Amino acid sequence: AQSVAQPEDQVNVAEGNPLTVKCTYSVSGNPYLFWYVQYPNRGLQFLLKYITGDNLVKGSYGFEAEFNKSQTSFHLKKPSALVSDSALYFCAVRDNAGNMLTFGGGTRLMVKP
Amino acid sequence: SAVISQKPSRDICQRGTSLTIQCQVDSQVTMMFWYRQQPGQSLTLIATANQGSEATYESGFVIDKFPISRPNLTFSTLTVSNMSPEDSSIYLCSVMGGGYEQYFGPGTRLTVT
Repeated sequence: AQSVAQPEDQVNVAEGNPLTVKCTYSVSGNPYLFWYVQYPNRGLQFLLKYITGDNLVKGSYGFEAEFNKSQTSFHLKKPSALVSDSALYFCAVRDNAGNMLTFGGGTRLMVKP
Repeated sequence: SAVISQKPSRDICQRGTSLTIQCQVDSQVTMMFWYRQQPGQSLTLIATANQGSEATYESGFVIDKFPISRPNLTFSTLTVSNMSPEDSSIYLCSVMGGGYEQYFGPGTRLTVT
């Protein structure tokens, strides 16, 4: 069975500093990896994905993520955090044989001025 | 990306009653997904709905409790039947994009008293 772990319930960072939100996964075969963001009282917004190709993928709002096959990780990063980045972030994985998307438990990002 | 709308956006219901949630997509899609997000938790897949066939339910979810309709390629409904306070959650519908990512509706926030 596939699974996703987000080891940090909350990440605190000062505005202007770089941020990292961690994600590790377990899946049979090649993984399809995704990051979503959820703002208060809103649905999930798609940020970025890794399907194949370059291990560093760039997404919306200046976010990027690095796929590391040996460490089975897909950490979300941003060089300079904004207060408006404060939200709940979910990592998700799908195997390349099925359609089910499995989510991690979520990480709350708090960016302080 | 798909534009997804849900009705109602929120509701407060009494235990023992039922609520039907509607999901409308701005384009034709083969598969639609229904998720539940309990307070402070991650997303859990309830079922996958294909047009013209019975929905496929995940472990822990049954058709009698969560009947789903999928009358055409742009619309689906999820009914939460015989509600109890434990059903208080956000319910989200989702569709697959062209690049394996999924897009989500804004969610229906249900409170059962």
